[in-house]
Formats: sequence, C-alpha cells, structure tokens
Amino acid sequence: TQLLEQSPQFLSIQEGENLTVYCNSSSVFSSLQWYRQEPGEGPVLLVTVVTGGEVKKLKRLTFQFGDARKDSSLHITAAQPGDTGLYLCAGLYGQNFVFGPGTRLSVLP
Amino acid sequence: DSGVTQTPKHLITATGQRVTLRCSPRSGDLSVYWYQQSLDQGLQFLIQYYNGEERAKGNILERFSAQQFPDLHSELNLSSLELGDSALYFCASSVFGTGLNEQFFGPGTRLTVL
Repeated sequence: TQLLEQSPQFLSIQEGENLTVYCNSSSVFSSLQWYRQEPGEGPVLLVTVVTGGEVKKLKRLTFQFGDARKDSSLHITAAQPGDTGLYLCAGLYGQNFVFGPGTRLSVLP
Repeated sequence: DSGVTQTPKHLITATGQRVTLRCSPRSGDLSVYWYQQSLDQGLQFLIQYYNGEERAKGNILERFSAQQFPDLHSELNLSSLELGDSALYFCASSVFGTGLNEQFFGPGTRLTVL
C-alpha cells in the first residue's frame, strides 16, 4: 500500500488543454513537494508547500496543499508539449522521504 | 545539469554479483540520498547520509549498504544481486540534513541484472 496515492496514473491531452493531477494520503504531512521527471533524467523539484490551504503558482502551474495537509493538487493551464513528463509528489514521513507513484503526462502537439 | 554526478551511467551484471555505484554531490551540499526507481515500485527512498553519518534509513535491503566519505562523495554497494534488483538508482544531494529541503537529483545509474 502506497502512503501517497496519485491520480490519474496516465494522462494524455492535446496542447492548450487544462489539467489537474492529484496527490492523496490518509496521513498528515508537515510539507509536500512536487517534482517533474523527464525520461532518462532524475526528478527536478517544482515546488514545496508547507501550510494547509497554501496555493503557489509557477507560471502556468498552480499547486495547492489541502487544508488538512493530507492532499495536494497540481493544475496546469494551457498545457504545452514541454510539460510532458512524470509528475511526482513527495512528503517527509518521520525521517523517511516518501514519493507517490507519479502521474505520467503526455501533451500532444 | 543538477551538479550531482553519478557513475557509471549503465551497469549490466549477473545474479549473485556485487556492484558499487558512486555519487558526487553538488558543491557545498552535505547530505546525500539514495533512491531506487523501478516500474512496479516507483521511487523508493533507500538511505540518507549527512556529513559522513547515516541520517535516515528507508526500504534498504540488508544486501545493500552505503557510505559517505570525508570528501562527501557516496557509494552504494549492492551484493548478492537478484533479477529484481534491476532498476534505476538515483543519488540526490541537499544542503541540509533535516526537513523536506530541496533535493537535487543526479542522472541515475541503470542497473540490469541478468
């Protein structure tokens, strides 16, 4: 059983569409991060959210941390082919770092 | 380029063998993390070192061990290899040893056990 669940597992959309991916847990995290990983490379940090209800924007990406700090969402506006990749959420659980299984996004031109 | 280097990039070996993966953290980073990424298990945290000392332990098998040297580079040793150990192994580094601080990932080592 994964401590962090992500949905959807796969998402294929056309360029210009909007999308939201989700990261959920039954556990409370003091903070949560989102990473993007491209094929053949390591994950790259996009954002860290700390406060329940926090919203952070990074250009066309909007990240939200749930009020109870158990879930998070990533919304992409007007997706572009360069957004293609594996989106991972991660949290600190005790002393260990836990990653979700990821959402694999494909944006078609 | 994250500034984290890993060698080798690819490694092919046989069951029962032992291999060593090497990681050099970003300049100034004191903490090193090792992760295993496979298709069915996702990215799994193995172990963390901070300034030469073990800081946190995740799902690391007893057949695996790691260390961080005085120059802060780290090695992950995998022994008695099994087919299921085939995976991507990532090293990451960060400035701090505690909290969910930003980790910079290396390009990974792809291990294939035949």
